[in-house]
This record gives sequence, structure tokens and C-alpha cells, in this order.
Amino acid sequence: AQSVAQPEDQVNVAEGNPLTVKCTYSVSGNPYLFWYVQYPNRGLQFLLKYITGDNLVKGSYGFEAEFNKSQTSFHLKKPSALVSDSALYFCAVDKRTGKLIFGQGTTLQVKP
Amino acid sequence: DGGITQSPKYLFRKEGQNVTLSCEQNLNHDAMYWYRQDPGQGLRLIYYSQIVNDFQKGDIAEGYSVSREKKESFPLTVTSAQKNPTAFYLCASSTPSRRGQGNSGNTIYFGEGSWLTVV
Repeated sequence: AQSVAQPEDQVNVAEGNPLTVKCTYSVSGNPYLFWYVQYPNRGLQFLLKYITGDNLVKGSYGFEAEFNKSQTSFHLKKPSALVSDSALYFCAVDKRTGKLIFGQGTTLQVKP
Repeated sequence: DGGITQSPKYLFRKEGQNVTLSCEQNLNHDAMYWYRQDPGQGLRLIYYSQIVNDFQKGDIAEGYSVSREKKESFPLTVTSAQKNPTAFYLCASSTPSRRGQGNSGNTIYFGEGSWLTVV
């Protein structure tokens, strides 16, 4: 069973508009949740994570994510997209094992 | 500078040949990981190590081997038994664990990756 789902292969948004990249998970208990970004031919960069506490998590580069336990979601958001935000975004789950399980990735295209 | 260094960036393997990818970190991290990235499949865990001289298989360990003789180093060998080795390989490490809690919840940081191509 897939633990992490990113339902959109690609998200297109105009510069200056808000963006959302969706992530849902299907693990029991209280997993830890992460978002990473990958630029072409590069490694992954950590954006933010949810461990406990406030459901709204703020991270790097103006990104934030909202943990919703009832909907088992952890969508990544940004109020105003930049062209430089165009990249591949990964959601990941840690089922309290210290290992990450990744979603398939969502390509974000921000057009000027 | 602190970080995770992977080398080489590009590597070509002939049929039947073993190759080794290097991963070094100077972050004083306890845990280290190797992931494989294929287009449209996200990242899949090959091997991981939580302490020196100990490592465990991940989800796709067949055809790969690792060693962890030093805290800073976690090399990955792609053996001839790996039939489809062409991929982007990512090494990672995570922050020192809090006592009694393992590495769970700690942020995992990645190197810049290595491309392996079979020729």
C-alpha cells in the first residue's frame, strides 16, 4: 500500500499567484511529514517538516504546509509564487522509523 | 564548509562490472542513507546505517552493497547483479539522535547526487 500520494504530476501557476502542491498519506499512528525540493540535476533540499504542535508549519523560501489529521493531508503552499520556485517537489513520511518514504513528486511550473 | 559530498558526479559502468559511489559527510551525523531515483518513481531506499559498523537493507537492496567503517563515510557498491543500475543515486545523512528516540523525526539532508549509466 502506498504510504504517500502526490496526486498531481504537474502544477502550473502564474507568477504572483498562490500555489498549492498536494500530499496525502496513508499510514497509521502519528507520522512525521516532510517536504523537499529538487532542482534539475541536484540533490534534495529540505523545506519544512511537521513533528507535532501547530498544524501550520512555516519553512524555507516562504513556503508553508498545513497538517490535517482528519484528511491525512500535508499540502504545501506559498502565497505568491516566483518563477524561481519552478522545480520538483517531494512529500515524504517518516513512520517513526527514522527512514523516509517519498511520494512520486510533483513538478511545479511557475510562468511569468 | 559542512556538507555531504558525493563522487563522482557521473559514472559509466560496463556490463558485468562493479562500481563504487563515494559518500562523505562532515556534519557529525550518526545515520546515513542511500536512495535511488528513477523518473516518475520518487526515491527508493537502498541501504541505511544508523551507527558505525552497522547497516540494514532498504526496499531495493538486491544488487547493491555498502560498508560503514567510519562515521563520515558510507560508500555504495553497485554490483554486476544489479540488472538495471542506470539511475540517479542520492546519499543522505541525518542529525544526531536524541537519546532513546533513534533518528525518527530528524531532518535528513542530501548530497548532490551521482549519475550512473550502463554502457
